[in-house]
Amino acid sequence: DIQMTQSPSSLSASVGDRVTITCRASQSISSYLNWYQQKPGKAPKLLIYAASSLQSGVPSRFSGSGSGTDFTLTISSLQPEDFATYYCQQSYSTQSTFGQGTKLEIK
Amino acid sequence: EVQLVESGGGLVKPGGSLRLSCAASGFTFSSYSMNWVRQAPGKGLEWVSSISSSSSYIYYADSVKGRFTISRDNAKNSLYLQMNSLRAEDTAVYYCARVFEWLRESYYYYYMDVWGKGTTVTVSS
Repeated sequence: DIQMTQSPSSLSASVGDRVTITCRASQSISSYLNWYQQKPGKAPKLLIYAASSLQSGVPSRFSGSGSGTDFTLTISSLQPEDFATYYCQQSYSTQSTFGQGTKLEIK
Repeated sequence: EVQLVESGGGLVKPGGSLRLSCAASGFTFSSYSMNWVRQAPGKGLEWVSSISSSSSYIYYADSVKGRFTISRDNAKNSLYLQMNSLRAEDTAVYYCARVFEWLRESYYYYYMDVWGKGTTVTVSS
């Protein structure tokens, strides 16, 4: 199995801050990396696919980068609605795997 | 409106069985691969199983292999997950999700772009 490790596991930040979340794969996954946002009691929502492509309707303050084993999700200026948990997911293998999640909390 | 609606969750005893369903609407169901993803209480997301559009390719997480069976009925726009030999650790919210296949520079990329709201499975005596 390909292991996905996110850091940090939790993060406190303020509205307007720039935030970066990292995801590392246990082996190269090229650009087969997706990012999702999940709010409590809700289904996950796709933000970024293929490492850096912004899903339609997602604000441009969200961006993704990376390839191979190291990836980042950046939120350029945090908004109140961005406080949530974020997950990376690899789709390189037929057995997909998620990172453990990063909980973004209000400072 | 593109929509996925799960059903079939509930309380079941360890060793029991349950069949989840996912009803799709608003898109051509037969053109898409589909996934099941689960989330145990207070935990992260776990991919469970995938099925291709024509059911030719099926994959499972090691944690459910041999106990769960994914299937689909394209005529009924429905996805299923038959869960047998259930364990306490199978307790979770189960989501169905559409898999979008995006072609870029001769490579297909896969991501889950539409999700249902989930159905809760509780395995307890």
